[in-house]
Amino acid sequence: DQQVKQNSPSLSVQEGRISILNCDYTNSMFDYFLWYKKYPAEGPTFLISISSIKDKNEDGRFTVFLNKSAKHLSLHIVPSQPGDSAVYFCAASVSENAGNMLTFGGGTRLMVKP
Amino acid sequence: EAGVAQSPRYKIIEKRQSVAFWCNPISGHATLYWYQQILGQGPKLLIQFQNNGVVDDSQLPKDRFSAERLKGVDSTLKIQPAKLEDSAVYLCASTLFGNTEAFFGQGTRLTVV
Repeated sequence: DQQVKQNSPSLSVQEGRISILNCDYTNSMFDYFLWYKKYPAEGPTFLISISSIKDKNEDGRFTVFLNKSAKHLSLHIVPSQPGDSAVYFCAASVSENAGNMLTFGGGTRLMVKP
Repeated sequence: EAGVAQSPRYKIIEKRQSVAFWCNPISGHATLYWYQQILGQGPKLLIQFQNNGVVDDSQLPKDRFSAERLKGVDSTLKIQPAKLEDSAVYLCASTLFGNTEAFFGQGTRLTVV
């Protein structure tokens, strides 16, 4: 039973345009959500997070939106750059401050074309 | 600040052989995780340590996998005997006590032939 799903295995966008990566979850206990970015042959690196008490969190070119009623979150990258080409993982946790395990989605491969 | 260190980076073994992976977390990080990432999937938690105690090992195949974190710092993950389906990247991650944003190592890519 996949509790976190990323239904788009890949996404291709033109440099300068917006990239929108989507993630759905089923477990109502999840209240803290994170996005990780992974380059080939490297470990995932933390990108941005959002608590369930918010519906938006912004950090530079990256914005995460959370729709709790739909159990859906999305990552917007504006403007997209070729260096953003990587695999993006959505992850969820029960509680922000308890050091709980992360449940990951299957990832979306983003390709930004120059 | 040094990151999470893992070794080896790559390992190829035959099925039924044994293998061990090593992880050194970021200094001061009390919580350590081992994740398994099969090609095309997201990382899946195998075991979580808090200092040298096990917090969660519910998804660890205990008939063949074992892990320890002696002295609450370095950790080793062992597979004995390995199966073909164990081919994956094994990721170690660590966090400060109580935090959720995990820092990952580069991983060990295991190929079982």
